[in-house]
Amino acid sequence: GNSVTQMEGPVTLSEEAFLTINCTYTATGYPSLFWYVQYPGEGLQLLLKATKADDKGSNKGFEATYRKETTSFHLEKGSVQVSDSAVYFCALLTGANNLFFGTGTRLTVIP
Amino acid sequence: EAGVTQFPSHSVIEKGQTVTLRCDPISGHDNLYWYRRVMGKEIKFLLHFVKESKQDESGMPNNRFLAERTGGTYSTLKVQPAELEDSGVYFCASSQELGNSPLHFGNGTRLTVT
Repeated sequence: GNSVTQMEGPVTLSEEAFLTINCTYTATGYPSLFWYVQYPGEGLQLLLKATKADDKGSNKGFEATYRKETTSFHLEKGSVQVSDSAVYFCALLTGANNLFFGTGTRLTVIP
Repeated sequence: EAGVTQFPSHSVIEKGQTVTLRCDPISGHDNLYWYRRVMGKEIKFLLHFVKESKQDESGMPNNRFLAERTGGTYSTLKVQPAELEDSGVYFCASSQELGNSPLHFGNGTRLTVT
């Protein structure tokens, strides 16, 4: 079946710290992989995506590489800001256009 | 372009009552999805409309949930009668095409059943 497992939170970091949020997946076929972000009081927004193995998605300083050999799509950012505080969801998209999400990881960045 | 809008943003009802959630997708988006996040758990797929037709409703938890999309525009999700375990955040999303077309999410409706 299809499923996503992501690092449990909450995660609290100081500003300018390095961020990694782990995500691994199980899927039939060749899914596309996504990171979504939910800022306080807002809806889910697409942060970045990768559609095939070895692709790297990037946006707003965040990066994630589609690793087929380890079935992973870890989210990284070299220097987090207070404005990055949000809940981050890893997700995969099947051929039937269904999104499977992880449980979400709450990130709090303190000044 | 207006985004996906959901109403209400919050709803608190008693067990056994009925609640109807509404989603207005982005104009022109044929695909409309409902998802639910129960507290602390993953966001789970409920169902998918293509225009007014239910393409996939495999995620609907039971027959207390009824989704409609008359005319292929806005959609409603009715829970009747509501149970405690129905509490959570209900997200709606829309997209223009299948495949790699991005899903645009609404802000969600937080439902609390007491």
